[in-house]
Amino acid sequence: DQQVKQNSPSLSVQEGRISILNCDYTNSMFDYFLWYKKYPAEGPTFLISISSIKDKNEDGRFTVFLNKSAKHLSLHIVPSQPGDSAVYFCAAKGNSGGGADGLTFGKGTHLIIQP
Amino acid sequence: DTGVSQDPRHKITKRGQNVTFRCDPISEHNRLYWYRQTLGQGPEFLTYFQNEAQLEKSRLLSDRFSAERPKGSFSTLEIQRTEQGDSAMYLCASSFAANTEAFFGQGTRLTVV
Repeated sequence: DQQVKQNSPSLSVQEGRISILNCDYTNSMFDYFLWYKKYPAEGPTFLISISSIKDKNEDGRFTVFLNKSAKHLSLHIVPSQPGDSAVYFCAAKGNSGGGADGLTFGKGTHLIIQP
Repeated sequence: DTGVSQDPRHKITKRGQNVTFRCDPISEHNRLYWYRQTLGQGPEFLTYFQNEAQLEKSRLLSDRFSAERPKGSFSTLEIQRTEQGDSAMYLCASSFAANTEAFFGQGTRLTVV
């Protein structure tokens, strides 16, 4: 049972445009959400997070939006740069009754920035 | 502090052998996590420590797996009688407190032949 879903395995965006990565979750007990970026052969790198009491968090070119009623979050990257090409993971945590402090990850979206 | 450090980066072992991995977290972080990642999947939670106490284990952590964090600093993950299905990237992460971001190490890639 996939509690965090990233339905787009890959996404191609032109350099300078906006990249929008989507994530859906099913567990209403999740209350903290994070986005990680991963290059091949490296560990995930933290990008940005959002608590369930907020609906938006911004950090430079990265903005995360949370829609609790739809159980949906998105990561916006603007403008997209070649170095943004990587796999992006959505992750969630909360008092889910088991694995309460561990993160539950989606399968990732491979973002490709085209020159 | 250079971040979370994992050793070794790569390990190839024969089926049936035991392997041990080490993780050194960021020094002021009291929470330490182990995850496993296989191809095409996101990291999957295995276990977590707060200081030296192992507070949570996933059902993915079979009896062949054991983790320790003896002095609340570095941690080890041991896999006994390795199987081919254990081949994966093993990731360690640490965080300062609950609901703060976890920082990951570069991982140990295990290949069981």
